[in-house]
Formats: sequence, C-alpha cells, structure tokens
Amino acid sequence: EADIYQTPRYLVIGTGKKITLECSQTMGHDKMYWYQQDPGMELHLIHYSYGVNSTEKGDLSSESTVSRIRTEHFPLTLESARPSHTSQYLCASSEERQTRYLNEQFFGPGTRLTVL
Amino acid sequence: QQQVKQSPQSLIVQKGGISIINCAYENTAFDYFPWYQQFPGKGPALLIAIRPDVSEKKEGRFTISFNKSAKQFSLHIMDSQPGDSATYFCAAPSGNTGKLIFGQGTTLQVKP
Repeated sequence: EADIYQTPRYLVIGTGKKITLECSQTMGHDKMYWYQQDPGMELHLIHYSYGVNSTEKGDLSSESTVSRIRTEHFPLTLESARPSHTSQYLCASSEERQTRYLNEQFFGPGTRLTVL
Repeated sequence: QQQVKQSPQSLIVQKGGISIINCAYENTAFDYFPWYQQFPGKGPALLIAIRPDVSEKKEGRFTISFNKSAKQFSLHIMDSQPGDSATYFCAAPSGNTGKLIFGQGTTLQVKP
C-alpha cells in the first residue's frame, strides 16, 4: 500500500545528542518536504527536495540538515539537539507534474521530539 | 513571501450547526487552494480543494467558496459533527515550486 512513514513517532533525548528523523514514501513522489509544527499551530516549511540530490532550505530557518540519496528516503538530522528543537516534525511528499496546478501533499504521522 | 491569513483561530459549534473558516491570500499566479484537516497526533490530510474556474466546490458536507477578486476563500462545514473536531488549515501555492504556504490553523470543536 502506497504510504508515507516516519520513525520514530516519539523521541525524548538529552541536549547535545545527534538525532536522525526518518521519512520514507512508497508513492514514487519526486518532491518531499519537512515541516516543523508546534502542537495545534501553523506548519513551517524547513526543508524541501525536488528529487534525488536536490535539497533546499525552507522558509523557516532550521539548524537541521537533510539528504536525498534515494527517491523514497528523506532523512532529517540534528547534529546537536537543544531544548529549542522541541517540536513536531512532519514529512510530506507530492508528485512532480508539468502542469499549472499544484499537487496534493501527503503527510506522514509526524515525529514528536522532546529535547531535555 | 506570500502570506495566508486564516481566521478564526478557534471555533466552537454545536452539533448540526454550520462551521465557517476564512482565509485571505496575497498575489499568486497559481490559483489552487486546498484545505487540510488534521486530527491530534496525525499529519494533515487534504480535505477539499478549489481551482480558479469555479466559485464554489462542494463535497458532501464540505464546501469551499472562492472569491478571486477579493483574494479570499472560505470553508463551510454543514451539519457539523463531533467527528469534525480537528484543526483546519487553508493553503495557497508558493509560486510554481510545488510548495504550499499554510494558514495559521483553526481549531474546531463541535459539541454534541
């Protein structure tokens, strides 16, 4: 079944630790996105990718980094976690189309990160 | 950067009532405006979307009304049900990149 997966769902970690949030999709989508969202609040785009080896920073500045070595995989890494990184991180994907209209973004369930 | 302004921030409606959420956007060359629904602990999911060639789009109890000249669009939920209780986000395209700019979100509570 085509879907988008995020692991872990919940992560509690101490300050200074390196973490990687995993995101995988089985829909063959070219475009993938990472959003940061505080509970019940606005979604802020922090990274996006048009395809393999293509990554760009989003509208909200983030100390995290991403990579896109495979179409289906778009991990996000924090080299040194801090309490200010505590938030929910949502991964999404959409299809590349040569049309005027944008496409639906499919979201994963999110990773809720708490940095102590 | 284009902004999307959404209101109200929160909304409480009695079961069977009409829920109305509004959004205003700035200039855009791509008129595709989706609404996303997010339940607690879940990622957002597309609920309904509208394109510029129509002023209204209806799917079941959910209707989008679109006013291109005013750069406004709204979501109407008819016969609101407790299961509709969620956070709703409007969005607008950011250029031709595929990116979306989301509104601030509206938390809807439908009381039984």
